[in-house]
Amino acid sequence: DQQVKQNSPSLSVQEGRISILNCDYTNSMFDYFLWYKKYPAEGPTFLISISSIKDKNEDGRFTVFLNKSAKHLSLHIVPSQPGDSAVYFCAASAPGRRALTFGSGTRLQVQP
Amino acid sequence: DSGVTQTPKHLITATGQRVTLRCSPRSGDLSVYWYQQSLDQGLQFLIQYYNGEERAKGNILERFSAQQFPDLHSELNLSSLELGDSALYFCASSVSEGASYNEQFFGPGTRLTVL
Repeated sequence: DQQVKQNSPSLSVQEGRISILNCDYTNSMFDYFLWYKKYPAEGPTFLISISSIKDKNEDGRFTVFLNKSAKHLSLHIVPSQPGDSAVYFCAASAPGRRALTFGSGTRLQVQP
Repeated sequence: DSGVTQTPKHLITATGQRVTLRCSPRSGDLSVYWYQQSLDQGLQFLIQYYNGEERAKGNILERFSAQQFPDLHSELNLSSLELGDSALYFCASSVSEGASYNEQFFGPGTRLTVL
């Protein structure tokens, strides 16, 4: 049972435009959500997180939105840059859980 | 650089063999996690250690085992290897035990190829 789903395997956007990456989850116990970015031949790198008590968290060009009623979160990157081209993973955790539950990732390509 | 190191970077071996993957956490981190990423899949949690003790198990096969040593480095042992064990194996570390509000930092991974 995939508790965290990223339904778009890939996304292509033009440099300077907005990138929107989506993530859905099924476990209502999740209380903390994270986005990781992964370049080839490297490990995932933490990007931004959000607690379930918030609906938005912003860090520079990156904003994560959480819609608890829809069990949906999204990552917005504005403006997108070629260096943002990578695989983005959504992850979630629940109280008392030790590990993160990851989605399958979305490959973002930002075209110059 | 996350501060988490993993060796080796690549490993090629044959079915039926046994291998050991090594991980050194960030300085000060007591928790070590092991994840497996098969082709185009998300990361699957295998096992967690905290300060030398096993704390949680995920989808880890009985052929796999791990330990965390007094210096906090960890090893993941994979035995009786099968073709399906070919994957990227990531180690992550964090300061505390729980996953919530506790950022995990990932190493570069070990790519295991079983022929």
